[in-house]
Amino acid sequence: KQEVTQIPAALSVPEGENLVLNCSFTDSAIYNLQWFRQDPGKGLTSLLLIQSSQREQTSGRLNASLDKSSGRSTLYIAASQPGDSATYLCAVSWFDGANNLFFGTGTRLTVIP
Amino acid sequence: SQTIHQWPATLVQPVGSPLSLECTVEGTSNPNLYWYRQAAGRGLQLLFYSIGIDQISSEVPQNLSASRPQDRQFILSSKKLLLSDSGFYLCAWERKGGQEETQYFGPGTRLLVL
Repeated sequence: KQEVTQIPAALSVPEGENLVLNCSFTDSAIYNLQWFRQDPGKGLTSLLLIQSSQREQTSGRLNASLDKSSGRSTLYIAASQPGDSATYLCAVSWFDGANNLFFGTGTRLTVIP
Repeated sequence: SQTIHQWPATLVQPVGSPLSLECTVEGTSNPNLYWYRQAAGRGLQLLFYSIGIDQISSEVPQNLSASRPQDRQFILSSKKLLLSDSGFYLCAWERKGGQEETQYFGPGTRLLVL
């Protein structure tokens, strides 16, 4: 069964701190892995996408890594800001005819000013 | 640029009533389209996806159905709502391509069934 797990469920950090969010998945034969951000009551915004042949992707203060063999991905946020407060979702595609995404339950991040 | 719209934004419906949620995409053609549901305390779950007009695939058994009457229109329906249908419904689109394609999500519809 294909599952995606995220820990911790919630995280509070002081502003300026670097932090790591974790995602684990069953079945290493993934198609791609994506990290999304969701603000309360809103839709999802794509942050980073890692293709199965890639090890990491970077965008600004964000860096996502992928280790297929261990079934893990991490999202590293450098120098956190209050505006980073949101729920971060990890999603994995195993491509079964379409790029269907399996989501973790997310990590709710609060950055304290 | 591409945009995705969903309406209504919020809906309160009694149990047993019908449902129709609409999603439209602008600025692209022949996209893959997806319906997800986010129930309280649970992760996003894929409900339906479509790779073309009148081509719908269902991921989970339920009392919901989906239709794609036009290339950029995706509709989620129910004949009789259940309490368990309450949740946040998100539509997404994606270009047809390879592993580099991401999904772009709409603003969502919050449905409360009473």
